[in-house]
Amino acid sequence: SQQGEEDPQALSIQEGENATMNCSYKTSINNLQWYRQNSGRGLVHLILIRSNEREKHSGRLRVTLDTSKKSSSLLITASRAADTASYFCATVMNTGFQKLVFGTGTRLLVSP
Amino acid sequence: NAGVTQTPKFQVLKTGQSMTLQCAQDMNHEYMSWYRQDPGMGLRLIHYSVGAGITDQGEVPNGYNVSRSTTEDFPLRLLSAAPSQTSVYFCASSPYRQGSGGYTFGSGTRLTVV
Repeated sequence: SQQGEEDPQALSIQEGENATMNCSYKTSINNLQWYRQNSGRGLVHLILIRSNEREKHSGRLRVTLDTSKKSSSLLITASRAADTASYFCATVMNTGFQKLVFGTGTRLLVSP
Repeated sequence: NAGVTQTPKFQVLKTGQSMTLQCAQDMNHEYMSWYRQDPGMGLRLIHYSVGAGITDQGEVPNGYNVSRSTTEDFPLRLLSAAPSQTSVYFCASSPYRQGSGGYTFGSGTRLTVV
C-alpha cells in the first residue's frame, strides 16, 4: 500500500507564481524525500528532510515537515516552465531496511 | 560516469514469455531497488538489495525474481509475463545507509505484455 498521498493530484500555474504541493503519510518516518520526474524520464532527487527537522531550503525549493500531522509540503518559488514535471514524496520508515516508499505524485504544469 | 543504466528501454512480450531487465550502476552503491510505475499508483517497490548476495522482497514481488551477484548489477527477471506486468520499471541505487540520502534512478524500461 502507498505510504504517501500527494495533494493536489494536478496543479496548473503561470510562470513566476509559487507552487505548493502537499504530502501526507501514515506511519512514523526516519526521513522524507521529494523527487521530480519529467515526462518519460527517471526520477531525480530534490531534497531530503529528517524527522527531527521542520524546514529545509534548497535554491527555490522549501520543504516543511510536520510529524505531528504526518504531513510535508514542497514549495517551489518563482516557478519556471522548466519546472513542469511530476513531483513525488517518498518516505523512509524507522523499521526494517528503511526502504523508500513513494506517494502517488502531483503533476505540475507551469505555463509561460 | 554513467550512473544507473537500464536496458532495454522498451520491450514487448507475449503472455508467458520470460525476460530479464538489466540494471547496472558504476557508483559502487550498496543499495539497489526495483520499482514499477503504473498510472495513478505512483512507484511501488518490487525487490531490493542491501549488498551483493543479499536481496529481499518489496511491496509487489510476485512474478519477479532478482539476484545480486556483484555490487554493480541487479537484474530483474520476469518468470512468466502477464498483461498485469505491463508497466514502466525503474531501477535505483543509493550509497546511503538507512535511506539518509537520495536515490539515483535509471531512465526506465517500458514493458508491454500482450
